[in-house]
Amino acid sequence: EVQLLESGGGLVQPGGSLRLSCAASGFTFSSSGMRWVRQAPGKGLEWVSAISGSGENTYHADSVKGRFTISRDNSKNALYLQMNSLRAEDTAIYYCVKTYCSGGGCYHGSWGQGTLVTVSS
Amino acid sequence: DIQMTQSPSSVSASVGDRVTISCRASQGISSWLAWYQQKPGKAPNLLIYAASSLQSGVPSRFSGSGSGTDFTLTISSLQPEDFATYYCQQANSFPLTFGGGTRVEIK
Repeated sequence: EVQLLESGGGLVQPGGSLRLSCAASGFTFSSSGMRWVRQAPGKGLEWVSAISGSGENTYHADSVKGRFTISRDNSKNALYLQMNSLRAEDTAIYYCVKTYCSGGGCYHGSWGQGTLVTVSS
Repeated sequence: DIQMTQSPSSVSASVGDRVTISCRASQGISSWLAWYQQKPGKAPNLLIYAASSLQSGVPSRFSGSGSGTDFTLTISSLQPEDFATYYCQQANSFPLTFGGGTRVEIK
């Protein structure tokens, strides 16, 4: 069974930094692309970042480009999101997501329960 | 960026009703579309991928159709556990984008 457990969320001041972690189990981590998706309180879903299984390829939404960095450690089955220069609009639940790929397309297959990041003074 | 527009934003329905939700992409995305269900306080759950393929474990009352720019999620006979918010998402290209969501409420 796929399990994704996020940690590292909390309250941080504007301009501050935070590092989210996701511990993965139940599947071959190094073979799976991974993503972060966030959801602001009472709002819809927003894709944040993606990384290939090897870690060689990364992608970020324009809203976080230059401030957030996605990475992974396949030896530890762990996914990370380094968040710098945080803004109030980054306040959200951050979900760790395992991709599900079929027929050439990849989708947000399995989701963790999320970790809440609050940016406020 | 590809914009995804869902309609309606909310729908009130009764148990047993047939419910249809639409999703339109701002440009053609072939069949690279997924549908997710999210219940309050829970993470989303993948229902449909590749526009019409049912994810394992998802009840057959859910179905998806469409290609290009216009897509539909249909719940053939609404059940109590189906009251939730539904999102479409394009998987054609980065940045990956979601629709704004459709809340299915109890009439």
